[in-house]
Amino acid sequence: SQTIHQWPATLVQPVGSPLSLECTVEGTSNPNLYWYRQAAGRGLQLLFYSVGIGQISSEVPQNLSASRPQDRQFILSSKKLLLSDSGFYLCAWSVGGGYEQYFGPGTRLTVT
Amino acid sequence: DQQVKQNSPSLSVQEGRISILNCDYTNSMFDYFLWYKKYPAEGPTFLISISSIKDKNEDGRFTVFLNKSAKHLSLHIVPSQPGDSAVYFCAASLNTGGFKTIFGAGTRLFVKA
Repeated sequence: SQTIHQWPATLVQPVGSPLSLECTVEGTSNPNLYWYRQAAGRGLQLLFYSVGIGQISSEVPQNLSASRPQDRQFILSSKKLLLSDSGFYLCAWSVGGGYEQYFGPGTRLTVT
Repeated sequence: DQQVKQNSPSLSVQEGRISILNCDYTNSMFDYFLWYKKYPAEGPTFLISISSIKDKNEDGRFTVFLNKSAKHLSLHIVPSQPGDSAVYFCAASLNTGGFKTIFGAGTRLFVKA
């Protein structure tokens, strides 16, 4: 069966500090991978998606970047965090052209 | 630009009754619609979906209805159970596959025992 891992579960970082969130998927090959952010009281905003190693598409201009160094690994990064980067970050995967996405447990990021 | 709108931030229903969650969209190019359920501090889980070529899809207690002319879909839960209390997200996808999925802001459902 497929599983998706995200860590850390919670993170408190000062403004201006770097960020690295990691997501890994097990039990599937060549997944499509996604990073979403959920701000307080808002829906899920797609930040990045990837259809393969090294292939990253960005949906919104922002202070964040993403990388996919391995088939089942997706990393969300920032060089300098802003207060507005606070939120709940979710990684998700899907297979091929499937519409259903499967989400990880999320990371609660608070920038202080 | 909110292409997918869930206008009710919350809904309270008595156990055993029907819960109806609504969703409106603006882009007629959406070809697939999904509902996700989310508990606090967890990621959303896929619940049920419907293709734009259908107007109804049923899975146990959950039924999704699609009205394309009104650009409206709804999720019916019958009978509602306390364990259904969660946030429900409506989502819509374009025919590029899952890559362009737009989520609504969510509706928090409370099912009272």
